[in-house]
Amino acid sequence: DAGITQSPRHKVTETGTPVTLRCHQTENHRYMYWYRQDPGHGLRLIHYSYGVKDTDKGEVSDGYSVSRSKTEDFLLTLESATSSQTSVYFCAIRPGLAGGHSYEQYFGPGTRLTVT
Amino acid sequence: GEDVEQSLFLSVREGDSSVINCTYTDSSSTYLYWYKQEPGAGLQLLTYIFSNMDMKQDQRLTVLLNKKDKHLSLRIADTQTGDSAIYFCATRHSGGYNKLIFGAGTRLAVHP
Repeated sequence: DAGITQSPRHKVTETGTPVTLRCHQTENHRYMYWYRQDPGHGLRLIHYSYGVKDTDKGEVSDGYSVSRSKTEDFLLTLESATSSQTSVYFCAIRPGLAGGHSYEQYFGPGTRLTVT
Repeated sequence: GEDVEQSLFLSVREGDSSVINCTYTDSSSTYLYWYKQEPGAGLQLLTYIFSNMDMKQDQRLTVLLNKKDKHLSLRIADTQTGDSAIYFCATRHSGGYNKLIFGAGTRLAVHP
């Protein structure tokens, strides 16, 4: 258990409304990631963070923004939700480089978002 | 760009071995991973292999890596119904902040 929680776990929202998803970790990891999972696509990286206030875009960042004001929280915001953003969203962390450098990521339980 | 491909579905009988295959395009991938996802859950790291290895064994799991062909496989010995899940292959992107590139996942169905 990597100490990752996501909230909410399920959300239904209407097109055009703003939505914020939260990822919270308890172990002070520097690197955090947001992915979306869609059938036939596996997981695709939306945004990632390499420290407080340090974020960068992934491969599918259009329509999404992120913020990281504290080490433990990484927020994903859909400024104006669209039906194409209906998906399951996963947060992940990467432990630091102490010890072995296998660079693995550990995932939260996911948030299922439906945009109607 | 980088790509990871997997077959989408595999059906095996309980007690048999399962082999899930993956091909990738990024020849500079340093680490390759296998994750398992059960229904309604997040991804669980099963195992990984470093690119200077060609085999890694961990209890019922055996990972084989053929760097020349850019082919990775996961063998599950004595497959059980609890192994039914989606299995994702992922490679560590050679640049940037540890981005992982995932395949679409292979759904493993285990039947009696």
